[in-house]
Amino acid sequence: GENVEQHPSTLSVQEGDSAVIKCTYSDSASNYFPWYKQELGKGPQLIIDIRSNVGEKKDQRIAVTLNKTAKHFSLHITETQPEDSAVYFCAASSPSWRNSGYALNFGKGTSLLVTP
Amino acid sequence: DAGITQSPRHKVTETGTPVTLRCHQTENHRYMYWYRQDPGHGLRLIHYSYGVKDTDKGEVSDGYSVSRSKTEDFLLTLESATSSQTSVYFCAISENGQGLGYTFGSGTRLTVV
Repeated sequence: GENVEQHPSTLSVQEGDSAVIKCTYSDSASNYFPWYKQELGKGPQLIIDIRSNVGEKKDQRIAVTLNKTAKHFSLHITETQPEDSAVYFCAASSPSWRNSGYALNFGKGTSLLVTP
Repeated sequence: DAGITQSPRHKVTETGTPVTLRCHQTENHRYMYWYRQDPGHGLRLIHYSYGVKDTDKGEVSDGYSVSRSKTEDFLLTLESATSSQTSVYFCAISENGQGLGYTFGSGTRLTVV
């Protein structure tokens, strides 16, 4: 089935710096790549996503890039703020499970800490 | 999270007992999913449903069963709980599949002692 690798597992940056989280996927049939932010005690929440026919997408301080040939995608957060501190998950839609509607396979998460 | 609730939020149970977790949605979405979240493993798919009475296994389905008798409810049952099933369980819903519009519940923290 689909394998999603995420790096780094932890990331510490100073407030105002940029943060980059990288993911790779294995199944070339994957066509949707969302990023989720999870705060302590809560469920993951979608922050940005990208489809396979797009190379880059931006939403204010957050951007995602996709390289289909290399099968990797990245999350970029600029001008980080303490409230960006959370666990971030990448995911890839997977055809592995019949009739699942392309259920998402998730990376193992990156714990981002933004220090003032 | 709007439109999706999980119950209970916390549960402690003994090894060998059956446990049922409930996911309830008010969005009338077709697809429902159960994931478990463990440190170092991220989120892993347990079971999913693509309609009433239509369910199938995910990546880590051993020891779990599910049922969906109504569009709005998706139940996850641990037939005989083990300590390895101590985890946080998340339900997610999606209207059209393709990974789009996944909305997660707030999770159930289950401890098996």
